[in-house]
Amino acid sequence: EAGVTQSPRYAVLQEGQAVSFWCDPISGHDTLYWYQQPRDQGPQLLVYFRDEAVIDNSQLPSDRFSAVRPKGTNSTLKIQSAKQGDTATYLCASSFSRISNERLFFGHGTKLSVL
Amino acid sequence: GDQVEQSPSALSLHEGTSSALRCNFTTTTRSVQWFRQNSRGSLINLFYLASGTKENGRLKSAFDSKELYSTLHIRDAQLEDSGTYFCAVGTGGYKVVFGSGTRLLVSP
Repeated sequence: EAGVTQSPRYAVLQEGQAVSFWCDPISGHDTLYWYQQPRDQGPQLLVYFRDEAVIDNSQLPSDRFSAVRPKGTNSTLKIQSAKQGDTATYLCASSFSRISNERLFFGHGTKLSVL
Repeated sequence: GDQVEQSPSALSLHEGTSSALRCNFTTTTRSVQWFRQNSRGSLINLFYLASGTKENGRLKSAFDSKELYSTLHIRDAQLEDSGTYFCAVGTGGYKVVFGSGTRLLVSP
């Protein structure tokens, strides 16, 4: 069974540039999470979906960040105008909430550097 | 807001010794998970608990939902156990919040 797939693995931007991260969850997993992990910190929840619906995006900086999961499978997280403070690893996780509640399985992450 | 505190923040062990990591939370939780993050950044799910205890090899975890804490015991530590250990709690509605981690270094 394939795990959670994320791309790209790395991204380097200048301030003000845009970037998109893509996540393919484990097949059949209905819940998908995006976390931001700054260096030497724990993952911080940005947004999560149940199927195609956003359940909680209260921690997503809405002026520059957006996330979608239009068909309830793959998801895209976009930063419209990156800032140096966005430098972090962006992690995607999925779970099969109908069976295993919120046991999370993570992708390898996308490491973003904003210069 | 939700708060998850882990202790200690860092820990050094010699091979063959044992220790415990702790996770305290300030809100009622329905589940706790423990992860290990390796040097490449991959997060591996070690345990998911809705109650009680679970054991897997040299690792054992317990969850006390009334006293609002969880522990992860590492027995007979090995070099490959080095990494950062995170606990994460399910606070309802499938929301999962992480602690700040415990950095473990196992040396010969």
